[in-house]
Amino acid sequence: KAGVTQTPRYLIKTRGQQVTLSCSPISGHRSVSWYQQTPGQGLQFLFEYFSETQRNKGNFPGRFSGRQFSNSRSEMNVSTLELGDSALYLCASSLALSGTDYGYTFGSGTRLTVV
Amino acid sequence: GEDVEQSLFLSVREGDSSVINCTYTDSSSTYLYWYKQEPGAGLQLLTYIFSNMDMKQDQRLTVLLNKKDKHLSLRIADTQTGDSAIYFCAPGPCSNDYKLSFGAGTTVTVRA
Repeated sequence: KAGVTQTPRYLIKTRGQQVTLSCSPISGHRSVSWYQQTPGQGLQFLFEYFSETQRNKGNFPGRFSGRQFSNSRSEMNVSTLELGDSALYLCASSLALSGTDYGYTFGSGTRLTVV
Repeated sequence: GEDVEQSLFLSVREGDSSVINCTYTDSSSTYLYWYKQEPGAGLQLLTYIFSNMDMKQDQRLTVLLNKKDKHLSLRIADTQTGDSAIYFCAPGPCSNDYKLSFGAGTTVTVRA
């Protein structure tokens, strides 16, 4: 069974630009979460979607947004990119909001570099 | 939110056991997970423990949970070079907080 697919794998953008990252969850999973991973801050929760609704949001500025489609695929968007947005962005899918014994399955991530 | 603490580094000789410790603050997680991250990769679910269990064994992996002290540990028996990675403790979502909380990760280095 296919895992969580994130595209693109690598991205280089210039300060001030915007970017859209995509995540396709495991078939049947309705929950999609996004995390930002940096060497300094570790793994920081961005937001979680379940059945096309944002259920929880982390402490990130409004430049970070997301959405989920009816097929559970999710996108996150970052506008007005800053150098500090350079990070590995990880998507995770789960059967349920509160986690199950299957846990959360992560994609390989999108490595975003802002120059 | 949940605070999760782990030691940052662990060096172990090949063939020895590794023990990674984790403490957390919120006791309402139903599941507590351990994830492994290899260089350039995403997070791989290694194992989990249900909150009403004290111990879970899965091949070379043993998870111990002390709910009273809010302490979770992962023991890797017969550590191999392929076990070199970053290990994350992640208590599952608690109450109405639908997210995993991660520790900073423990970098395990296996030396020959």
